[in-house]
Amino acid sequence: DADVTQTPRNRITKTGKRIMLECSQTKGHDRMYWYRQDPGLGLRLIYYSFDVKDINKGEISDGYSVSRQAQAKFSLSLESAIPNQTALYFCATSMAGGNNQPQHFGDGTRLSIL
Amino acid sequence: AQSVAQPEDQVNVAEGNPLTVKCTYSVSGNPYLFWYVQYPNRGLQFLLKYITGDNLVKGSYGFEAEFNKSQTSFHLKKPSALVSDSALYFCAVRDFFYNQGGKLIFGQGTELSVKP
Repeated sequence: DADVTQTPRNRITKTGKRIMLECSQTKGHDRMYWYRQDPGLGLRLIYYSFDVKDINKGEISDGYSVSRQAQAKFSLSLESAIPNQTALYFCATSMAGGNNQPQHFGDGTRLSIL
Repeated sequence: AQSVAQPEDQVNVAEGNPLTVKCTYSVSGNPYLFWYVQYPNRGLQFLLKYITGDNLVKGSYGFEAEFNKSQTSFHLKKPSALVSDSALYFCAVRDFFYNQGGKLIFGQGTELSVKP
C-alpha cells in the first residue's frame, strides 16, 4: 500500500546498535501501529497510537520505543539491538471511529541483527 | 482470551479449482473478523471483514468468506483459483478487551499455492 511508506526497506546492523525505523502515511488516519512478523507466529503488536498524544504498549514492547512526531509519522526505535529482534517489521494505519475499521499496512522493513 | 487459529500451514490447489483457507476463532462476545493477504516482499492487504449481518461476506479479488457461529469458523473461499492467488493469507480477530481495543490478533498464516 503506497499510502503507508516505511524506511528503510532493508537494514543489516550489529548487536548493540541503535536503530530507527520510520513510517509515514498519506491516508489521513489517526491510528498507527507497529508489528513484527516472525515465521509461524503471524504478526505481533509492538506499540500503537490512537493520536499524536496517545501511545500504548502492545504485547511485545520490551526493547522497543516509539515516537509519534505528527499525525502522519510514527517511528520505532531499538535502543540496543539484539539478534532476536531480527524480523520483518510492519507499520499500519486505520481510521478512528470504531473497531471495525481495517488496518492498512506498509511494505515492511526487513531487519537483520548480527 | 481471544484467539484465532489457521489449522493448515499450506494449501495446494490446481488453477480453476475452488479453494478454501480455514480459520477458527475463540472470542468473548461478538467477533469482528478479518482476512488479509500478503504477497512476497509486500505488506498485508485487506481482503474482507465480518462485523455483523450476512454470514457470507464478499471481498476483493473474487474472495468471499463464510461466517459460521456454531462452528466458530470464518473460512476464506474462492470458486475458481488463479495462479496469481498464490500468497500468504492471514485471518485476524479484533481484541476488544485489550486496552482500547486497538489490537488485532493474527493467525499464524496459511501459504496458498495454486499450480497451473
